Amino acid sequence: KQEVTQIPAALSVPEGENLVLNCSFTDSAIYNLQWFRQDPGKGLTSLLLIQSSQREQTSGRLNASLDKSSGRSTLYIAASQPGDSATYLCAVKEAGNTPLVFGKGTRLSVIA
Amino acid sequence: NAGVTQTPKFQVLKTGQSMTLQCAQDMNHNSMYWYRQDPGMGLRLIYYSASEGTTDKGEVPNGYNVSRLNKREFSLRLESAAPSQTSVYFCASRGGFFSNQPQHFGDGTRLSIL
Repeated sequence: KQEVTQIPAALSVPEGENLVLNCSFTDSAIYNLQWFRQDPGKGLTSLLLIQSSQREQTSGRLNASLDKSSGRSTLYIAASQPGDSATYLCAVKEAGNTPLVFGKGTRLSVIA
Repeated sequence: NAGVTQTPKFQVLKTGQSMTLQCAQDMNHNSMYWYRQDPGMGLRLIYYSASEGTTDKGEVPNGYNVSRLNKREFSLRLESAAPSQTSVYFCASRGGFFSNQPQHFGDGTRLSIL
């Protein structure tokens, strides 16, 4: 059974710092991996989707990488801002007729 | 750009009451999902519909039923609400099960069972 782990569960950094959020998964036979952001009291917003054939995707200050063979993905946030404070979740789509499997998220606080 | 719309946003029920949570998407997506989110438990899949006319159980289906009314709408019903069903419920949609399009979420329904 696929399991997705995100460590650390919470992270606090000063404004302006570059940071990396980690996501690991147990079964490398994935179709794609998606990173989401969730603000308090809100739903999930899709940030980036990496297909299994891709190594990375970029959107603005965000860069997500995927290493299927090692079962890892990272979300890099450059020059962090207080507005980046949120919970970040990753989710994998396995090959076959299965729904997304989510990690429990990393709660990020960027301190001004 | 409505995306995924959930109603109601908030609801308080008494134990034993029934209610239906509504979800509609306007992105012509084939697949739709219902999740619940509880502190420390993360997102847990209740039911999903891979395509119009099909529904399947997820991780925590007990106490719930679903209806895929048409391609746009996917409802979740609590027949006899229990305090353990107090949670935030999210509906989501996706282009298709084998799609490389991202999954989109509604803003959630906050449900309290007294």
